[in-house]
Amino acid sequence: IAGITQAPTSQILAAGRRMTLRCTQDMRHNAMYWYRQDLGLGLRLIHYSNTAGTTGKGEVPDGYSVSRANTDDFPLTLASAVPSQTSVYFCASSASDRAPNEQFFGPGTRLTVL
Amino acid sequence: GDSVTQMEGPVTLSEEAFLTINCTYTATGYPSLFWYVQYPGEGLQLLLKATKADDKGSNKGFEATYRKETTSFHLEKGSVQVSDSAVYFCALSDPGRDDKIIFGKGTRLHILP
Repeated sequence: IAGITQAPTSQILAAGRRMTLRCTQDMRHNAMYWYRQDLGLGLRLIHYSNTAGTTGKGEVPDGYSVSRANTDDFPLTLASAVPSQTSVYFCASSASDRAPNEQFFGPGTRLTVL
Repeated sequence: GDSVTQMEGPVTLSEEAFLTINCTYTATGYPSLFWYVQYPGEGLQLLLKATKADDKGSNKGFEATYRKETTSFHLEKGSVQVSDSAVYFCALSDPGRDDKIIFGKGTRLHILP
């Protein structure tokens, strides 16, 4: 593989269920990010990790958690999904968390919470 | 706080028309500026960037100039193609805000054959 992969591609989930979105990169990038994309709102940062073992909260972290056990993987977990979490989720990575911080994006996961 | 404002879409043009998508920003520091493009069903990919005032980023016939005096980074292309149909995002990375990227809301571009 080359770049960033995300799984699943899409998912329909009942409210209250737990869900983990997977993200893997093979570029040995230090920094990784999770965004959600909603119509009319652009991309909003959920959580980020500047390096393996560290994580931080973005603009809209509530209801989501992340972990960064190693360089390559950065899963996003919804502990108890709600309909407002219906969105397209993008994982991204960058070699460094410092400017100019060019980010590379995965293909996205379309999540529908009913 | 930091923000990016770009023109509302959708923008519809005929093939070979001239394109301008306006983008202005506010930032506490001295940001780097980017244009990302999202083709249907895909993630975002970097189109071009500029890291200091008066820099011109260019790629695939698109270009944008970092204008510090007007806090702008407008995207232009002289002759668009149907394959340019996509959503375009202006973005900044501000060292004064821990270098996190802030995206505009995106502008959808439709090119008619």
